[in-house]
Amino acid sequence: SAVISQKPSRDICQRGTSLTIQCQVDSQVTMMFWYRQQPGQSLTLIATANQGSEATYESGFVIDKFPISRPNLTFSTLTVSNMSPEDSSIYLCSVDSGRVNEQFFGPGTRLTVL
Amino acid sequence: GENVEQHPSTLSVQEGDSAVIKCTYSDSASNYFPWYKQELGKGPQLIIDIRSNVGEKKDQRIAVTLNKTAKHFSLHITETQPEDSAVYFCAASTDSWGKLQFGAGTQVVVTP
Repeated sequence: SAVISQKPSRDICQRGTSLTIQCQVDSQVTMMFWYRQQPGQSLTLIATANQGSEATYESGFVIDKFPISRPNLTFSTLTVSNMSPEDSSIYLCSVDSGRVNEQFFGPGTRLTVL
Repeated sequence: GENVEQHPSTLSVQEGDSAVIKCTYSDSASNYFPWYKQELGKGPQLIIDIRSNVGEKKDQRIAVTLNKTAKHFSLHITETQPEDSAVYFCAASTDSWGKLQFGAGTQVVVTP
């Protein structure tokens, strides 16, 4: 399976600031996904990022709050903008494995907003 | 859209016993059902999956069963070990690519 890394692994930020999370995979992948996992909760898809096109956002998530870049087939970034304490979550990227529907997850970025 | 319900929310088992987690889904078009294991401080790890053309799949101590008529699927862990302690998530997908809908998760605790 693909090796996926995320940076930073954790961060503590002040409200009103922005944080950019990086996701790097060791092989080329078609689709990359960003999820949010609020404390003690399940995973919720934020958006799907394909290289060379705009990210597709799920209901309840908007580009102004969560801008995403996908400059190539191995890398993506998610920015959490104008943060509030409600943004405190684990942010996870995942990638398609090449097998239909199958996804592998990165280790996550643990964000705390004060 | 798809809705996935998962039960129980917590499960305590003695080492060596079996554990069963059940999920139901709402969209009859769902055709892919993975199970993920998430250990504390880590990302979810895919442990087994099943597609709609299969009724059961086994991999060593874990197995998944699918009942498309009833729209439910289950994870079975036999001979549980302390390292099986984690949160387990089921998911379902109708799309050809991506868009997994996750269940709420089950905290499994295996006591020696």
